[in-house]
Formats: sequence, C-alpha cells, structure tokens
Amino acid sequence: SSELTQDPAVSVALGQTVRITCQGDSLRRYYATWYYQKPGQAPVLVIHGKNNRPSGIPDRFSGSSSGNTASLTITGAQAEDEAVYYCNSRDSGGDHLFLFGAGTKVTVL
Amino acid sequence: EVQLVQSGAEVRRPGESLKISCKASGYSFAETWIGWVRQMPGKGLEWMGLIYPGDSDTRYSPSFQGQVTISVDKSISTAYLQWKTLKASDTAIYYCARHVGTLLLGGWFDPWGQGTLVTVSS
Repeated sequence: SSELTQDPAVSVALGQTVRITCQGDSLRRYYATWYYQKPGQAPVLVIHGKNNRPSGIPDRFSGSSSGNTASLTITGAQAEDEAVYYCNSRDSGGDHLFLFGAGTKVTVL
Repeated sequence: EVQLVQSGAEVRRPGESLKISCKASGYSFAETWIGWVRQMPGKGLEWMGLIYPGDSDTRYSPSFQGQVTISVDKSISTAYLQWKTLKASDTAIYYCARHVGTLLLGGWFDPWGQGTLVTVSS
C-alpha cells in the first residue's frame, strides 16, 4: 500500500540514543529521506540516500535501512534535537509519486 | 546560497481565488524539479505535486489533482500554487521545496521555503 508508518512519539534522555523507524513497501525500492521540523519552522533535511548528511547536520544523526524499514538514529541526543521527524520516499506502488510519514515527535528529557 | 522565498500570509473567504509564489535563487531553476507540500493546522506533511520549470511538466498527487494548479515563470525563477475556488479546508501552511536528485531514484527535497500560511474563513 502507498503509505509510510511512523510511531507518533518517542522520548529519550539527554545524551542517550534514540532510533526512529519508518515502515512501508516503498522502502524496499527507494531510500527514505528524513526531515526534522521544529515548531513554527519549515522542515529541514537531516538524512538522504543510504546515509548522507547535509552540511550543518551533526554526525550524531545517522540513517539505515533493512527490508521495508528505514531508521534514523540520534546517538547522544541533545536538547536541540527535540522536534518532529518525518520520513519521505518515492511511492513505488501508487500514483502519489512521493509519500510522507505522519511524523514522530521526539522529546528529549 | 540556494534559497526559496515564499510570498506572505493570505486571508481569503470561501469561494475566492488565490495564487501564492515561491521565488528561487542560487541554482539553475529551469533544470530542477520544485515541489509543494501542505501542512494543515497541527498535522503532518502532505505532498501535493511538483513541476519541472524547464518544460512545465507537472505531476500531482491524486489527492490534489483538480484542486490546485502548479505553474512557473522561468523568467523570474518563480513557482506558483493556485486555487480557483478556496474552501475552509484549504486553511494550511504551504511549503515549496527544491527536489534534488533524480525522480527515477527518488531524490529528496532541500531546501524548503519558509512557508505561506493560507487562512480561508468567512
């Protein structure tokens, strides 16, 4: 089906590691892209392709993929990482061309 | 620096028309797909469609086909999102974003415009 599924929310203690997942049939064919969005701001690219970070994104962010599941890992979460994280990919099964997950709210405790 | 600057917030009444803009700079506008994304109040991101400015090839999400029109003016490196008849349910923030990579392999969107808040209310 043409959808990407994310957990609604996850929390992580300051300095600890958190993994955010995104599931969907399209991820068997296409890499997931990850964005974060802070309140009142536009989305920002975090990870694209196999595991590529744009300049300015700290190396504590990493991406991985297996089967129909893509993951974004924050190793040593910081307070400024608190945001909603969205996954995105091409749609391999339908007419939507691109799909977004519903987003995962990450709270840093 | 690649930049997308969107037009300002708009308030309209149901039934009215609207055209919002997204001005690009810092890259070859004509040779890069540019997309539009909706974010309804308190909700997630929804892909609406994208356009290739070079030949105006446009792809719409089935959810938005027939509801909006995406266009460009290459001469001023600007993309547009247009409604003929607004509804209250069109109230949302609309983002434009440059597509990077090839559609064949997927690609990604970067950067994003700052967003345009459209409020439709009687």
